[in-house]
Amino acid sequence: DVKVTQSSRYLVKRTGEKVFLECVQDMDHENMFWYRQDPGLGLRLIYFSYDVKMKEKGDIPEGYSVSREKKERFSLILESASTNQTSMYLCASSSGGRTQYFGPGTRLLVL
Amino acid sequence: DQQVKQNSPSLSVQEGRISILNCDYTNSMFDYFLWYKKYPAEGPTFLISISSIKDKNEDGRFTVFLNKSAKHLSLHIVPSQPGDSAVYFCAASVYSNYQLIWGAGTKLIIKP
Repeated sequence: DVKVTQSSRYLVKRTGEKVFLECVQDMDHENMFWYRQDPGLGLRLIYFSYDVKMKEKGDIPEGYSVSREKKERFSLILESASTNQTSMYLCASSSGGRTQYFGPGTRLLVL
Repeated sequence: DQQVKQNSPSLSVQEGRISILNCDYTNSMFDYFLWYKKYPAEGPTFLISISSIKDKNEDGRFTVFLNKSAKHLSLHIVPSQPGDSAVYFCAASVYSNYQLIWGAGTKLIIKP
């Protein structure tokens, strides 16, 4: 079974703080993704990576950066958290096929 | 421009009856479609997929139908069970592209 884990289930941060969200997958998948999910908007892609040290912008990269130093680990960084970044953050991974496997999500509240 | 649309934000169905969730798309280059199920405070889980070379795929109580000419797919759940209450997302992709394009989701409520 594919296992994708995320460092925190719930997180509360203050405006202006730097926030790190970490994702680890144990299936040797090449591709990893960060999404945010907001009610009525579905899943919106922030960044994705198809190899170590490679990254591509998704639909809403502003205010975010990512890091992929090891194949199994993909980190999302909020450089200076703002209240409009309060959301559910979802990490996913995939191999050669199109099916993506998701972690449990991190619900982030920025005050 | 929404390439994948789920026009019903919510759907209520009696337990034991059929649930039909719909999804429309605009990009004729999409050749693979997936359905995911999501419970609150959890990540989406993969349910079933279909390639554009098929018009139907079944997995137990779940069947996905694809109508390429209408650019429409649907997910049928028979019979519906209380545990099926969740948000269902439709997603689509183009060959050789890792990305999935997502619909906004439909909240399915199964009434006892």
